[in-house]
Amino acid sequence: EVQLLESGGGLVQPGGSLRLSCAASGFTFSSYAMSWVRQAPGKGLEWVSIISGSGGNTYYAGSVKGRFTISRDNSKNTLYLQMSSLRAEDTAVYFCTKGCGNTCYSSFDYWGQGALVTVSS
Amino acid sequence: DVVMTQSPLSLPVTLGQPASISCKSSQSLVYSDGNTYLNWFQQRPGQSPRRLIYKVSNRDSGVPDRFSGSGSGTDFTLKISRVEAEDVGVYYCMQGAYWPLTFGGGTKVEIK
Repeated sequence: EVQLLESGGGLVQPGGSLRLSCAASGFTFSSYAMSWVRQAPGKGLEWVSIISGSGGNTYYAGSVKGRFTISRDNSKNTLYLQMSSLRAEDTAVYFCTKGCGNTCYSSFDYWGQGALVTVSS
Repeated sequence: DVVMTQSPLSLPVTLGQPASISCKSSQSLVYSDGNTYLNWFQQRPGQSPRRLIYKVSNRDSGVPDRFSGSGSGTDFTLKISRVEAEDVGVYYCMQGAYWPLTFGGGTKVEIK
């Protein structure tokens, strides 16, 4: 059974940093691209970033490019999202999602339960 | 960016009746490999999203066959043949053909 378990969410001040983690199990982690999708309170879904199975390719939404860094540790079956220069508009539930293949970025077949990040002073 | 426009915003449906959600993209979602990368997700109240349909019309394992996807190019539709109480939630389309990946604004399905 595929499981994705996010952690690391919390309250952070504007301009601060936070790192999210996603522990994956139930599939061959290194064989699949992984992504982060966020949802602001009461709003819709917004794709944030994606990384290939090997970790060699990364892509970002324009709203986070230069501030967020996606990475993965295939030896630990863990996905990360390092967030810096955080703004109030980054407040959201961040979902870890599993892609459709090593360099298959077109869809997400499994989602975690989400981690809430609140940016506020 | 490719804009995904869903309609209606809200869809009240009688139990047992059909429902239809439209999703239109600002560009054709036919990729250079010939595939059309259009997905549908369901988000029940208080839950994470769940994929229902990928590549326009392929239903995920475990998804009831009352859900079906259709369309081509820039116009797509998700249909529920007979709405059940467990279908209440917000439905999102998402395109996977262009960077950045983009979602529609969502359609809220509720029971009349």
